[in-house]
Amino acid sequence: DAKTTQPNSMESNEEEPVHLPCNHSTISGTDYIHWYRQLPSQGPEYVIHGLTSNVNNRMASLAIAEDRKSSTLILHRATLRDAAVYYCILLSSSNTGKLIFGQGTTLQVKP
Amino acid sequence: KAGVTQTPRYLIKTRGQQVTLSCSPISGHRSVSWYQQTPGQGLQFLFEYFSETQRNKGNFPGRFSGRQFSNSRSEMNVSTLELGDSALYLCASSLSPDSYYEQYFGPGTRLTVT
Repeated sequence: DAKTTQPNSMESNEEEPVHLPCNHSTISGTDYIHWYRQLPSQGPEYVIHGLTSNVNNRMASLAIAEDRKSSTLILHRATLRDAAVYYCILLSSSNTGKLIFGQGTTLQVKP
Repeated sequence: KAGVTQTPRYLIKTRGQQVTLSCSPISGHRSVSWYQQTPGQGLQFLFEYFSETQRNKGNFPGRFSGRQFSNSRSEMNVSTLELGDSALYLCASSLSPDSYYEQYFGPGTRLTVT
């Protein structure tokens, strides 16, 4: 299983953009990059995913490096509700349905 | 569209007993994955079912088992409960287990073993 590396914690001010990095140097060509987050006392929540191109949805943007060895989750305007643990996960075509959660990045948002 | 539902939400059992947890996926979703979350080990994959077949399994003892019904609802069973089985059990559903589909999680079942 390909591994991901994320900072343990990050801080942001409310209404400012947040860039959450993830390194995945052993990614294979068919691995999708998924991001999930877990708010306190809740189950994980899907945020965004992509393969090679940058992706945008209503929650966030995903910027993927050209060599795919790293990616960045971008929250355009952080709110207090965005305080959560963010997980960067590689989903392999050979490991169906299996999300491997690491330690993730704990994001604190200050008012 | 209703989200993933899990029942019961809370459960207290005694060591040695067995327990069955239920998961109803989002309508139209045919893949269900189960995860265990503990403070010490974090979120760990248990198994995944698609079309009533277990397609993938995590590194858990045989006391942990599951099944999926024709309507895609899934159950997981833990036999001979141990204190260490106390955890939040989460299920997630997806259209299919393929890597380009996202998973949607339920609120979890909090199991306490005494």
